[in-house]
Amino acid sequence: DAGVIQSPRHEVTEMGQEVTLRCKPISGHNSLFWYRQTMMRGLELLIYFNNNVPIDDSGMPEDRFSAKMPNASFSTLKIQPSEPRDSAVYFCASSFGGGNTEAFFGQGTRLTVV
Amino acid sequence: AQSVTQLGSHVSVSEGALVLLRCNYSSSVPPYLFWYVQYPNQGLQLLLKYTSAATLVKGINGFEAEFKKSETSFHLTKPSAHMSDAAEYFCAVRAQGGSEKLVFGKGTKLTVNP
Repeated sequence: DAGVIQSPRHEVTEMGQEVTLRCKPISGHNSLFWYRQTMMRGLELLIYFNNNVPIDDSGMPEDRFSAKMPNASFSTLKIQPSEPRDSAVYFCASSFGGGNTEAFFGQGTRLTVV
Repeated sequence: AQSVTQLGSHVSVSEGALVLLRCNYSSSVPPYLFWYVQYPNQGLQLLLKYTSAATLVKGINGFEAEFKKSETSFHLTKPSAHMSDAAEYFCAVRAQGGSEKLVFGKGTKLTVNP
């Protein structure tokens, strides 16, 4: 398996524009996580899905952020409208179940909002 | 809510010296615990995980961690640091009871001096 695949790797956009980040989890995994990493706040869990259903979105900063998982092999994180404070590295991770099963991370998307 | 605290956002050691990175969890019931490593501009990869089968867990690259329930700790150690160990290290926790939610500490950046 190629691992968790995220696209794009880098995104530069202007304030106010819509941004869509994409993630393809590892085949067979049933949990998917979206994290945001910044110097100030570290690695924050934004939302996670289990069997394509959003389970906990308490980490989503505000209504400008939305995430979907239309099927087991694809998820998106959308920011509309984007703001400079959204600049961060966004990671997607997937795992098979809970317990002591580890999450596998993608390479991340570095988002810069100017 | 489950959380982990990593003492020391930066740790600096000399090559060949002992590495000790600290992690404490907040839970009355021992959770599932993980250590991840992040190299510059990369995603996170698993170093080791606590499975309750043994309190001393061995991971990749010569790292190990000891689970101490009485101290609610899961510190990461390596007897002899190598230059290639320079990276950021994250402790993560998942509650027992079926939740897939995986929460990370703030991270500790390890510098290895020649």
